[in-house]
Parts: sequence; structure tokens; C-alpha cells
Amino acid sequence: DAEITQSPRHKITETGRQVTLACHQTWNHNNMFWYRQDLGHGLRLIHYSYGVQDTNKGEVSDGYSVSRSNTEDLPLTLESAASSQTSVYFCASSLGGSGTETQYFGPGTRLLVL
Amino acid sequence: AQKVTQAQTEISVVEKEDVTLDCVYETRDTTYYLFWYKQPPSGELVFLIRRNSFDEQNEISGRYSWNFQKSTSSFNFTITASQVVDSAVYFCALSEAGSGYSTLTFGKGTMLLVSP
Repeated sequence: DAEITQSPRHKITETGRQVTLACHQTWNHNNMFWYRQDLGHGLRLIHYSYGVQDTNKGEVSDGYSVSRSNTEDLPLTLESAASSQTSVYFCASSLGGSGTETQYFGPGTRLLVL
Repeated sequence: AQKVTQAQTEISVVEKEDVTLDCVYETRDTTYYLFWYKQPPSGELVFLIRRNSFDEQNEISGRYSWNFQKSTSSFNFTITASQVVDSAVYFCALSEAGSGYSTLTFGKGTMLLVSP
């Protein structure tokens, strides 16, 4: 069955370290997204991609980067982790087109920055 | 700019009660899409429904129903005869079609607690 996976599911890191969260989907979806979820804020968009080599900044992109070298993967990198980046991170994908299609979410990665 | 408001932060009901979760949205576009997602205690986000702005018919799926009213910019979600398994955080979201690519804006969610 097609799916979207995230790894690791849990991560503890130290302030200042570089961290990469993986997202892999097997639906052959063109669009991929990264969100963070924090209490009181709901889900906020970090970065998104509408195809290979395409990346765009979302609402809360500072301190994060992404690259899209193939259809299946959109890794999220925290260049220098900060305690404010402690959060639950969700990856999502959608078929393609205008961006209004249904997004399907991965299981999430819980990140703790000490 | 698009905005979604879920004014109810938390709702508690007893099993078998009906409950309505409110969602009010703001958009300048005439073409847009509205969504509901469920996040159970296990943490995953589960897609429930997608509705476009030209379809104001109410939708019913089992115990779930959705009431879309453009006149009040609302897309409310009702659970009939609630069950303990309905306990979750529910998110309403909006995507504008506009021109070019669009992104999804979420409300802050409503936590529903159904007690036996």
C-alpha cells in the first residue's frame, strides 16, 4: 500500500546541532509539505514543494531548509537547532495541481531540543 | 489573506450526545476548499472531508455531518450520538484556489472529549 513515512519518530538533540528529518511518500504525489504543531498554534506551514527542484517558504521557515531531488522525498533540515524548535513535525503530500488537493499526513516526528 | 477560526478550544460531552464543532473562515477568493481533519490521541492526522466553495449541499457520512453556509462563512461539523472513540482534536482548514499555487491554512483545533 502507498504511504507516507517519517523518520525518526522521536529525536532528542542539543542546541546548535544540525538535524535532518526525513519524509518519504510512495503515492507519487507531486506536492509535499512540512508543518510544525505546537500547543495553541495548531499546524503551521514551514516549507513546501510542488515538484522536483521546487521549494517554497511557508509561514515559519526561519531556521529550516528543504531540498527536493526526487518525487518521493522532502527532508527537512534544522541548520542549528534551537529550543524554540522543540515541536511535533508533520510531513504531508498531495497529488498535484493547484495546491487545493487533499493533503495526507505522515505519523509525525517529535523533536526535543535541549 | 485566508484565516480559519475555531472558537471552541475544548468541548466535553457524554457518550451518545450530539456535538457540533464550529469553523468560521475568511477568504477573498470565490473559489476555495474547506477541510476537516481528526487527530486522535495517537497523534496522526486523519482526513475527514474536502468541500469546494461551489457545493453548499450538506454532507452526511454515518454519524458525521457537515453544514456549509457561505452566507455566514461557516463549515460546521456535527457528530451524532458521540462515542468515546470520537475523542480527538479536530482541525478545520482552508485552501484558496485563486491564481497559481495555494497552501492550506489550519484553525487552531477543537479538542473533543467524549466521556462514557
